[in-house]
Amino acid sequence: DGGITQSPKYLFRKEGQNVTLSCEQNLNHDAMYWYRQDPGQGLRLIYYSQIVNDFQKGDIAEGYSVSREKKESFPLTVTSAQKNPTAFYLCASSPYGTGLNTEAFFGQGTRLTVV
Amino acid sequence: AQKVTQAQTEISVVEKEDVTLDCVYETRDTTYYLFWYKQPPSGELVFLIRRNSFDEQNEISGRYSWNFQKSTSSFNFTITASQVVDSAVYFCALSFNSNSGYALNFGKGTSLLVTP
Repeated sequence: DGGITQSPKYLFRKEGQNVTLSCEQNLNHDAMYWYRQDPGQGLRLIYYSQIVNDFQKGDIAEGYSVSREKKESFPLTVTSAQKNPTAFYLCASSPYGTGLNTEAFFGQGTRLTVV
Repeated sequence: AQKVTQAQTEISVVEKEDVTLDCVYETRDTTYYLFWYKQPPSGELVFLIRRNSFDEQNEISGRYSWNFQKSTSSFNFTITASQVVDSAVYFCALSFNSNSGYALNFGKGTSLLVTP
């Protein structure tokens, strides 16, 4: 079935460690996005990528890094520089060509807890 | 700057009541799109509706309806005869265009609880 797969669903890490969240899509979408969700904060954009080998910072990119080596994959690394990494992370994709009017399709999210 | 405001943090209603979720947006763009998403307890966001800035017609889909008013920069969502399965967090979003592409700005969401 077509869709967006985020893994793992739950992730625990010790403070100071880098951790990489996986996001894979088989929808043949050009654009991919990472959002962070905190209680009462809604969804905030971390990074987005419209095409392979190109990505842009969102509103809260500090402490995060991404890569886009393949169209179907957009992994997010939470580095030790991220001061408060415990959150729910959502990956999304959309077909770039249709631009502004395109809804994003979301994965089921990864809940990261740093202890 | 692009901004979406959902002033209602939590709403609780009894089944079969009607409920309206408010969304107010700010943008300098003349062409933009507004969206509503539903987030059930499972966590995945589900797309509900898209509306462009040139189309102010209201839309109805079953028990759901949307009222877009450009004059007040609002895009409100009404659920008629609410059901327990409507319990979820609902997000309003606004698309924006940067030099590097498109993305969505989300409001903080409204948590709706429908009790039997």
